[in-house]
Amino acid sequence: NAGVMQNPRHLVRRRGQEARLRCSPMKGHSHVYWYRQLPEEGLKFMVYLQKENIIDESGMPKERFSAEFPKEGPSILRIQQVVRGDSAAYFCASFGLAEVNEQFFGPGTRLTVL
Amino acid sequence: AQSVTQLGSHVSVSEGALVLLRCNYSSSVPPYLFWYVQYPNQGLQLLLKYTTGATLVKGINGFEAEFKKSETSFHLTKPSAHMSDAAEYFCAVSDKDTGRRALTFGSGTRLQVQP
Repeated sequence: NAGVMQNPRHLVRRRGQEARLRCSPMKGHSHVYWYRQLPEEGLKFMVYLQKENIIDESGMPKERFSAEFPKEGPSILRIQQVVRGDSAAYFCASFGLAEVNEQFFGPGTRLTVL
Repeated sequence: AQSVTQLGSHVSVSEGALVLLRCNYSSSVPPYLFWYVQYPNQGLQLLLKYTTGATLVKGINGFEAEFKKSETSFHLTKPSAHMSDAAEYFCAVSDKDTGRRALTFGSGTRLQVQP
């Protein structure tokens, strides 16, 4: 049973470009969280999605950031017009109804904005 | 709002020595409590969790943690450090009362193990 997969693992963008980060949850999981880890800091919650629904986006910046989790395919975190301050590691985590108190984390995408 | 404080951003111990990583939380009701480990350039791996029941929780790799409600603490310990324990450790909480499961993390403690 494959774990949570994220791609790309490393992403380099120039200021003003768009970044798309993908997360495939564990098989059978339909809930995904996205977290951001700034250098030398802990992870900060961004958004919680179920298939085709955004449940909680209280941690998302109001502008330039969006997330989706379509019925088919991976969850996508999209950052438009990236700035240097967006450089961070972005992690997704999934859980299923059988283990609602445990989130399984992916390896992360490390975004560098030049 | 919940918060997590990890005292000591860096902890260094000798191989074979006791490991003690401190975590205190602030929450209106006792939350669910977690410790995660992160190795360089990797994701987070769950070490152990407390949801209900026995307050002393045993996890993987010989780690354990004790939930102390009166002290609002969930410190992580291991009797004897191994070189492979060198990593960053994060304490986290989630809200038991509302069922909101987004994790609130501490800022992390980097553990160094000296030979």
